Amino acid sequence: KNQVEQSPQSLIILEGKNCTLQCNYTVSPFSNLRWYKQDTGRGPVSLTIMTFSENTKSNGRYTATLDADTKQSSLHITASQLSDSASYICVVTDHQGNLIFGKGTKLSVKP
Amino acid sequence: DAGITQSPRYKITETGRQVTLMCHQTWSHSYMFWYRQDLGHGLRLIYYSAAADITDKGEVPDGYVVSRSKTENFPLTLESATRSQTSVYFCATGGGLQETQYFGPGTRLLVL
Repeated sequence: KNQVEQSPQSLIILEGKNCTLQCNYTVSPFSNLRWYKQDTGRGPVSLTIMTFSENTKSNGRYTATLDADTKQSSLHITASQLSDSASYICVVTDHQGNLIFGKGTKLSVKP
Repeated sequence: DAGITQSPRYKITETGRQVTLMCHQTWSHSYMFWYRQDLGHGLRLIYYSAAADITDKGEVPDGYVVSRSKTENFPLTLESATRSQTSVYFCATGGGLQETQYFGPGTRLLVL
């Protein structure tokens, strides 16, 4: 069964620190992998999208990496800000266009 | 221009009642989607539509009905609401199944 597992489930860091969120998937073959940010009470917003041939993709202080061989992705946040407090969702699309969502990592950035 | 809007934002209803959640987009995206989001679960696809008058079931379609008579609207109807349908419902749009989806603000539904 196609699955997307994210870790940790939740994370608390201090403002200004870096952090890395993990995403492991079993979807094969896959078309692309996306990271979404979801603020509390709002809909998810796309951060990055990578195909199987891409290793890294940046969006400001957010950098996503992908290792298609080990079926792992990570989202690195640099110099965290209070506004980074949100849930981060990893989504893998299979070749048929089905989206498989992870349950997300809830990040809290404290002053 | 909000791009994608959902209404109502909050709804309380009773078991057995019919409820319709509205979704409207101004981008003219071909695809529209309905998801539900519950604690302990990732977003789960209920229905999606590739174009006007074309709809397909997602992962959890039971108890829901959709229609798409116009490209810009994609209403979701709970024909006889049950407590298990208490959830946050998100509508999304996109240019295709492989492309980025843009989510609306969500509708919080409580079924008593």
